[in-house]
Amino acid sequence: DTAVSQTPKYLVTQMGNDKSIKCEQNLGHDTMYWYKQDSKKFLKIMFSYNNKELIINETVPNRFSPKSPDKAHLNLHINSLELGDSAVYFCASSHRNTYEQFFGPGTRLTVL
Amino acid sequence: QKEVEQNSGPLSVPEGAIASLNCTYSDRVSQSFFWYRQYSGKSPELIMSIYSNGDKEDGRFTAQLNKASQYVSLLIRDSQPSDSATYLCAVPPVYAGGTSYGKLTFGQGTILTVHP
Repeated sequence: DTAVSQTPKYLVTQMGNDKSIKCEQNLGHDTMYWYKQDSKKFLKIMFSYNNKELIINETVPNRFSPKSPDKAHLNLHINSLELGDSAVYFCASSHRNTYEQFFGPGTRLTVL
Repeated sequence: QKEVEQNSGPLSVPEGAIASLNCTYSDRVSQSFFWYRQYSGKSPELIMSIYSNGDKEDGRFTAQLNKASQYVSLLIRDSQPSDSATYLCAVPPVYAGGTSYGKLTFGQGTILTVHP
């Protein structure tokens, strides 16, 4: 029944490690997004994919690499984690070029 | 100047009062505006959208848009403790000749607390 799901919900790891977050949506949307929400609750877009094609790529360190195997899935791989990467990462989806975005429950990443 | 600005609050109102949340934006040609609500520890959800000057009402919520002054506001009538949340204003950037592909620029959010 879950519309947009993310795994894992919590991720605690050491600096320098590599980790991945997975996202899946069953809403039939063709556009998916990754957002980062920092400790001050500021929500900022990182990437967007439409039908497996990268269409938004904000100024994000290249340690972050998104991958969309199909339009229902969007994963985020992070290399060489840094303290500043600690945040909540939200996946979202929508129909193409629309602004009603449905968010997943978030993944709270803590880098020690 | 930030693209989308909100007073981070916290804004505290008594139950039954009107809560007024404000948002200003920098791009004069912005055409559409959205309010998302985020409960503590949860994900944002869209509650209102507005595209033209004036008021748009949906139940206890009213969005107000003034493009000349570049502000959009959200009024919550008969505020309830269940309205306590962070309210995020979101505006798509405007690109010459093209779509923003669903990209939204969010304000920093206003924390609203409705006390009994």
